[in-house]
Amino acid sequence: AQKVTQAQTEISVVEKEDVTLDCVYETRDTTYYLFWYKQPPSGELVFLIRRNSFDEQNEISGRYSWNFQKSTSSFNFTITASQVVDSAVYFCALSEAGDDTDKLIFGTGTRLQVFP
Amino acid sequence: AAGVIQSPRHLIKEKRETATLKCYPIPRHDTVYWYQQGPGQDPQFLISFYEKMQSDKGSIPDRFSAQQFSDYHSELNMSSLELGDSALYFCASSLVTVNTEAFFGQGTRLTVV
Repeated sequence: AQKVTQAQTEISVVEKEDVTLDCVYETRDTTYYLFWYKQPPSGELVFLIRRNSFDEQNEISGRYSWNFQKSTSSFNFTITASQVVDSAVYFCALSEAGDDTDKLIFGTGTRLQVFP
Repeated sequence: AAGVIQSPRHLIKEKRETATLKCYPIPRHDTVYWYQQGPGQDPQFLISFYEKMQSDKGSIPDRFSAQQFSDYHSELNMSSLELGDSALYFCASSLVTVNTEAFFGQGTRLTVV
């Protein structure tokens, strides 16, 4: 069965600190996709990244970077030099290519608070 | 670029009433998904449609039904509302045939009083 675990419920940092949000997933499929979404206090879900299971290259986008390791079934997200505007709930999610649709299975989210 | 449009953005209903949420997917997207996010919870998959046919079903109560119309917009109908139905309801759309990711609407916040 598919499952996404975000063990960190809440993280608080001071501006300019680096922070890593952990995500561990479970799936029986060999082809799957992993996602990160940001949900600011306004409530919308903002897409950050999608990676497929065959692409283990780490990715960097500005202050954001992602570390995908199939060996440990993890897809961690690091924010470098955090800013107050990064305060939000961050969800990791999984979809399986063998599924009837590409529905997303979300983790329980990590609430990040960045203080000035 | 056009995004997923949901209406209404906010809705207040009383217990036992009926609510209808609407979703207008991105043009030419072939799949629509509905998710329910309770307070402090992660979004939970409810139901999806591919080319106007139901393609998958999650933990959707029997009191809820949904459909996708010929113009590809979708409606989620909720009857006999309960306090526990208060949540943020997201619609998302994707183009499964070319494997795009799902794009989410801004959500409808339903409050049942």
